[in-house]
Amino acid sequence: ILNVEQSPQSLHVQEGDSTNFTCSFPSSNFYALHWYRWETAKSPEALFVMTLNGDEKKKGRISATLNTKEGYSYLYIKGSQPEDSATYLCAPDRGSTLGRLYFGRGTQLTVWP
Amino acid sequence: NAGVTQTPKFQVLKTGQSMTLQCAQDMNHEYMSWYRQDPGMGLRLIHYSVGAGITDQGEVPNGYNVSRSTTEDFPLRLLSAAPSQTSVYFCASGGPGNQPQHFGDGTRLSIL
Repeated sequence: ILNVEQSPQSLHVQEGDSTNFTCSFPSSNFYALHWYRWETAKSPEALFVMTLNGDEKKKGRISATLNTKEGYSYLYIKGSQPEDSATYLCAPDRGSTLGRLYFGRGTQLTVWP
Repeated sequence: NAGVTQTPKFQVLKTGQSMTLQCAQDMNHEYMSWYRQDPGMGLRLIHYSVGAGITDQGEVPNGYNVSRSTTEDFPLRLLSAAPSQTSVYFCASGGPGNQPQHFGDGTRLSIL
């Protein structure tokens, strides 16, 4: 079982605000870092899978960065919209246990119109 | 374009009953996993499999059994249901390496 920390636990922003949150994970034996978006009453959907230190990925207004040496990843949302309201989950994938994802508890984002 | 299919979507059981939650994927994925979602706990890994015939425990395996006789199917068995197993269960599948996992729609299970 991995110690995966996500902060903040919840976040409330106004439409148009930019926001970011953090995923911290053990840096040893790192293989990949997964980010998922999880809307209420739906199933989680993959946003990014990142593997390289310094990697940056972007999908529309959402982007993520990765620091494997210190064990953290940031997720950024630029110009938040109400449809961005969801829980954002991260999970590291370790080389010794490929395919076994231990998720953090997530950051619950609410964007007010 | 089915992806990951879970059945049933809803189920109510009495304490002590047994049942099997079904999960099937049509993407030829090697990795399959079962998670449970509880308030404030996020997604917790129950069991996972890296291929047909290979399964292993996650962080909350007690009270559940799995088997993987084919690449497509990964059923989760509750041996003797307990109220603590009331939860929403998600099955997921993924390819090897840095591939994302694809989740089913979930099974909402209530144990009375």
